[in-house]
Amino acid sequence: AQRVTQPEKLLSVFKGAPVELKCNYSYSGSPELFWYVQYSRQRLQLLLRHISRESIKGFTADLNKGETSFHLKKPFAQEEDSAMYYCALRNSGGSNYKLTFGKGTLLTVNP
Amino acid sequence: EPEVTQTPSHQVTQMGQEVILRCVPISNHLYFYWYRQILGQKVEFLVSFYNNEISEKSEIFDDQFSVERPDGSNFTLKIRSTKLEDSAMYFCASIPWPSGSTDTQYFGPGTRLTVL
Repeated sequence: AQRVTQPEKLLSVFKGAPVELKCNYSYSGSPELFWYVQYSRQRLQLLLRHISRESIKGFTADLNKGETSFHLKKPFAQEEDSAMYYCALRNSGGSNYKLTFGKGTLLTVNP
Repeated sequence: EPEVTQTPSHQVTQMGQEVILRCVPISNHLYFYWYRQILGQKVEFLVSFYNNEISEKSEIFDDQFSVERPDGSNFTLKIRSTKLEDSAMYFCASIPWPSGSTDTQYFGPGTRLTVL
């Protein structure tokens, strides 16, 4: 069975501080990992995906297969980064493309 | 930019009643999903739908649940006899497959279902 664990329910940092949102996964096959974000009163939207190795809004995430982790990092947090962040996994070999989500981490960036 | 829409935004119902949650996916998307999120819990996959049939369903999606695409635009989730534990936020999502990338799932704003 596939599982995604986000150990922190809440994370609070000050503006300009580095931020790391942790994500660990359990999956026997070859996973694809994603970070989705939900800003206040907005819908869930894709932030980034591991296969593209991109930086979006200053955020990066590296898939570490040895540690089965996909932590989200940003060197200097901004107030507008305050949101709910969900790590998600899907089966790279599947044809369904369904996502398995973690419980989410609520990030608050204080001024 | 096209968006997935869902109606109603909030539905209150009595236990045992039937509810239908409606979704309008983005027009060129052909693969649809329903997810739900019980308050304080994770977003959970319920069902995926392609080519007018269910492609996969989770253990949660029992006989009380059904999905339908009654016309060319709407995608509905029906719960036949609601239980208290069905209270949750229900999200519809779609992907532009097979005409586009599968990487991004486009989510609707959700319908909050409250069962009393």
